[in-house]
Parts: sequence; C-alpha cells; structure tokens
Amino acid sequence: SQQGEEDPQALSIQEGENATMNCSYKTSINNLQWYRQNSGRGLVHLILIRSNEREKHSGRLRVTLDTSKKSSSLLITASRAADTASYFCATDRDSWGKLQFGAGTQVVVTP
Amino acid sequence: DTAVSQTPKYLVTQMGNDKSIKCEQNLGHDTMYWYKQDSKKFLKIMFSYNNKELIINETVPNRFSPKSPDKAHLNLHINSLELGDSAVYFCASSQDSGTGGRINEKLFFGSGTQLSVL
Repeated sequence: SQQGEEDPQALSIQEGENATMNCSYKTSINNLQWYRQNSGRGLVHLILIRSNEREKHSGRLRVTLDTSKKSSSLLITASRAADTASYFCATDRDSWGKLQFGAGTQVVVTP
Repeated sequence: DTAVSQTPKYLVTQMGNDKSIKCEQNLGHDTMYWYKQDSKKFLKIMFSYNNKELIINETVPNRFSPKSPDKAHLNLHINSLELGDSAVYFCASSQDSGTGGRINEKLFFGSGTQLSVL
C-alpha cells in the first residue's frame, strides 16, 4: 500500500516565490526522505530527516517532520525556474530497503 | 562517470517478447533495487538485492526475474511482455547503513528505462 502521499498534486508559482508541499504517512517510520525528479530523469535525493529530528535545512530547502501528525513538509525558498520538477517523499518502515514513495507534487516555476 | 547506469534508455517491443534491462553502479554500494514508475508517476519497489542476495521480492509476476551476477550489477529480465508492463523502470542503489541494514539510507537512481509494449 502507498505509505507517503504528497499534497498538493500540482503547484504553479513564479520565480522568487516560496513553494511548500506536504507529505502524510500512515505508520511509524525510521526516517523520511525527499527526492526531486526532473522530466525524463531519475530521482535525485534531496534531504533525509530522521524520526528524532524536527527540522533540517539544505541550501534553499527546509524540511520539517511532525511524527505526532505523521506529516512532513518541504519548503523551497526563492524558487528558480530550475526548480521545476516533481518532488517525492519516501518513508521506510521496518523492512530493509523498502522505501515507499508517494505520487509526488509537480512543481512548475515560471520566470 | 555515471554513478548508476541502466541500459537501454528506451525499449519498444511487441507483446509476448522477452527483454532485459541492465543496471550497473560504480558507487561500491551493497544494495540494489528495481522500481517501477507508472503513468501517474507512482513509484513502486519491485526487488532488492544485498550483496547478490534477494532480500525484497514484492508482489511481482514471476515473468519478472532479477539477476545479480555481482554486487555492482542488477539486471531485470521480463518474459512474455504484456501491455500493462509499459512503464518506466528505475534501478537504484544504496549503501548499507552499517546497523544491520535495517534503516534505509538514501537511494541513488539511474535515469530510467522507458518500456513501451505494443
């Protein structure tokens, strides 16, 4: 079954604006990861946040994790046209290698 | 050098044919995976190998057979292709976290193989 679900499904913003997308999951996790997929390419890892962490930053990316609500958010600040991509959250449970991905949020950043 | 490379990038074939997709990683990782991405972009794990040993085998038709000749390679062979097999197939790898492999570390993905069955 699908573990992570992203919201919204699609997001359209202008360059310079912030983009926020959310991920909800159903069962307890060890960590939660965010990935980016450009059109026609493979997924690229962005950030991993562990279950005992609440917030993590990487450049213009900020990820939060609320294990009580079983949700995470990814914030992209000062977006650029190059940020246009689909963004996926992935969660693990207790099985080795069994990362569960959602269907992603498609982000379009217009100049 | 490409970290995870898979070939071919595109595969167009007729129903009933048998085809293979190859994957190689030069990262020295212990674990490799096959994922399937459908037309709605939903990504689902199919198989996982650790040091050439199968550790995850999801509910996948037995027409799909993975083979890992060594820990740097994981190939996917598909027999008797069906229309519903059309999708993008991704190979990925990750490093054992060193804690018995129970915690999933980040995945490195190949660029995908778009399979179209006609």
